[in-house]
Amino acid sequence: DIQMTQSPSTLSASVGDRVTITCRASQSISSWLAWYQQKPGKAPKLLIYKASSLESGVPSRFSGSGSGTEFTLTISSLQPDDFATYYCQQYNSYPWVTFGQGTKVEIK
Amino acid sequence: EVQLVESGGGLVQPGGSLRLSCAASGFTVSSNYMSWVRQAPGKGLEWVSVIYSGGSTYYADSVKGRFTISRHNSKNTLYLQMNSLRAEDTAVYYCAKLRSDGSGSYYNVWGQGTLVTVSS
Repeated sequence: DIQMTQSPSTLSASVGDRVTITCRASQSISSWLAWYQQKPGKAPKLLIYKASSLESGVPSRFSGSGSGTEFTLTISSLQPDDFATYYCQQYNSYPWVTFGQGTKVEIK
Repeated sequence: EVQLVESGGGLVQPGGSLRLSCAASGFTVSSNYMSWVRQAPGKGLEWVSVIYSGGSTYYADSVKGRFTISRHNSKNTLYLQMNSLRAEDTAVYYCAKLRSDGSGSYYNVWGQGTLVTVSS
């Protein structure tokens, strides 16, 4: 199984901050990586696919980068609506997809 | 509008069975890859099962032999039959529609989730 490791597990930030979340794969997954945002009691929401492609309707302050084993999700200027938990997901070994453990973005 | 609505969750005793349903609207279930993903309380996301448009099915090792994914084409509904339930199956179960992208597929539409609690 491909293991996905996110860091940090928790991140404290203020509105307007630039925020970066890292996701590392245990083996190369090329660019087959997605990012999701999840708010408490809600379903996940797709933000980024194929490592850097922005899903339609997602604000442009979200961006993704990376390939191989190391990936990042960046929020250029954190907004109040962005406080949530973020998950990466590899789909290189489809159908056996795996998720990272999540990164909670909290208010500082 | 593309929408998924799950139902069928609840409290069940260890060893019991439950069938989850996921009614789709705005698209055709049988023409898409559909999946179940679960989330234990306070934990992360775990893929459970997928059914391809051609009918092939796959399962996580943790549920293989106990869970069965299926669909009813005329009802445009996805199902998850869960047997021999264990305490560790306690989770919110989401159904999700996948979008294909070269090598594989990722989840672009999610239901609201249904809670399954396995406890005596």
